[in-house]
Amino acid sequence: EVQLVESGGGLVQPGGSLRLSCAASGFTFSDHYMEWVRQAPGKGLEWVGRSRNKTRSYTTEYAASVKGRFTISRDDSKNSLYLQMNSLKTEDTAVYYCTRSFYVNTVFYSDSWGQGTLVTVSS
Amino acid sequence: DIQLTQSPSFLSASVGDRVTITCRASQGISSYLAWYQQKPGKAPKLLIYAASTLQSGVPSRFSGSGSGTEFTLTISSLQPEDFATYYCQQLNYYALTFGGGTKVEIK
Repeated sequence: EVQLVESGGGLVQPGGSLRLSCAASGFTFSDHYMEWVRQAPGKGLEWVGRSRNKTRSYTTEYAASVKGRFTISRDDSKNSLYLQMNSLKTEDTAVYYCTRSFYVNTVFYSDSWGQGTLVTVSS
Repeated sequence: DIQLTQSPSFLSASVGDRVTITCRASQGISSYLAWYQQKPGKAPKLLIYAASTLQSGVPSRFSGSGSGTEFTLTISSLQPEDFATYYCQQLNYYALTFGGGTKVEIK
């Protein structure tokens, strides 16, 4: 069974930093692209970014709203995905989900999601 | 970024009703579209990918269609467990944007 468990959320002041982790199990983590998606309280879903796999040199993509402030990394030896968030703003307050993606006809779809971890940016 | 506009944003329906949700893209995205269902306090669940392919384990009352800029999600006979919020997502261009959501509530 695929499992994704996020951790590391909490309360942080504006301008601060936080590192989220996602522990994966039940599948071959190193084969998959992985994503971060967030959801502000009472709002819709927002894609944050993507980590490609080793075959694609672990390259990353980011939403414009987080580019230059957030960094996605992974450690295949630990089956873990990370999201380093710097220069946090109040508008970064959200539940952050880790997702696994699978490949169909040139694109990758998120088929498994973690339960999410809440990040609150407030003074 | 590609904008996805879902309509309606809210709908009230009864058990057994046929429900259709539309997702329009600001430019063509081929068939690179997914639909998700989200219940309160839970993570989204993938229903449909590649615009019309049913994800494994999803009931056959769910179906998707469309390509280019206009897509639909249809629930052929609404069941009590289908009351939720539904989102479309395009996978053709970065950033991988979501629609604003359609909340389906009990009439």
